[in-house]
Amino acid sequence: TQLLEQSPQFLSIQEGENLTVYCNSSSVFSSLQWYRQEPGEGPVLLVTVVTGGEVKKLKRLTFQFGDARKDSSLHITAAQPGDTGLYLCAGAEGGANNLFFGTGTRLTVIP
Amino acid sequence: NAGVTQTPKFRILKIGQSMTLQCAQDMNHNYMYWYRQDPGMGLKLIYYSVGAGITDKGEVPNGYNVSRSTTEDFPLRLELAAPSQTSVYFCASSYYPVGQGRSGANVLTFGAGSRLTVL
Repeated sequence: TQLLEQSPQFLSIQEGENLTVYCNSSSVFSSLQWYRQEPGEGPVLLVTVVTGGEVKKLKRLTFQFGDARKDSSLHITAAQPGDTGLYLCAGAEGGANNLFFGTGTRLTVIP
Repeated sequence: NAGVTQTPKFRILKIGQSMTLQCAQDMNHNYMYWYRQDPGMGLKLIYYSVGAGITDKGEVPNGYNVSRSTTEDFPLRLELAAPSQTSVYFCASSYYPVGQGRSGANVLTFGAGSRLTVL
């Protein structure tokens, strides 16, 4: 079983602050995805990263895939209450039919 | 534009009872998946299907069964409910395998979930 560990597990910050969430594994993945999940809903894809060292920006969110394709980070600039949710990373092996999900980071942004 | 529809949204079962969680998608996706989500544990794959008539086990298949008679439907059956099966269950679908690199068509679309409690 692949293990993806996310840190921190819980994060509570004030509106306007910056934050970084980490996703680490000892396994190499062909691609890595980040999802956000809100209460009572299924996860919704934010981004897919494929190339080692790749950096993708989505408005205030910056995603990075580690050079060795074993880890990833999500950085949010100037967090807003609408960013509140459970953030999940998920790694895939090439051609595989499964995503291995991380343990999740629950973010609360206080107005 | 329904996407992935799961029913029921909530269910309480007694130990030993059986039930079926329904999942339907209208996106003509080949691949369908059932995950369970436990607090602090992330999502674990129970079963998946690569097309009508083809199913395979995921990481945690014990106590569950699936079938895929049509492209659209992928029901999950619990035969003898146990307290360890208390969880939130998510059905998902994709056009290509999730491990297929950069293609946008490998994105998983999730249903809203079914919360099951076994007492």
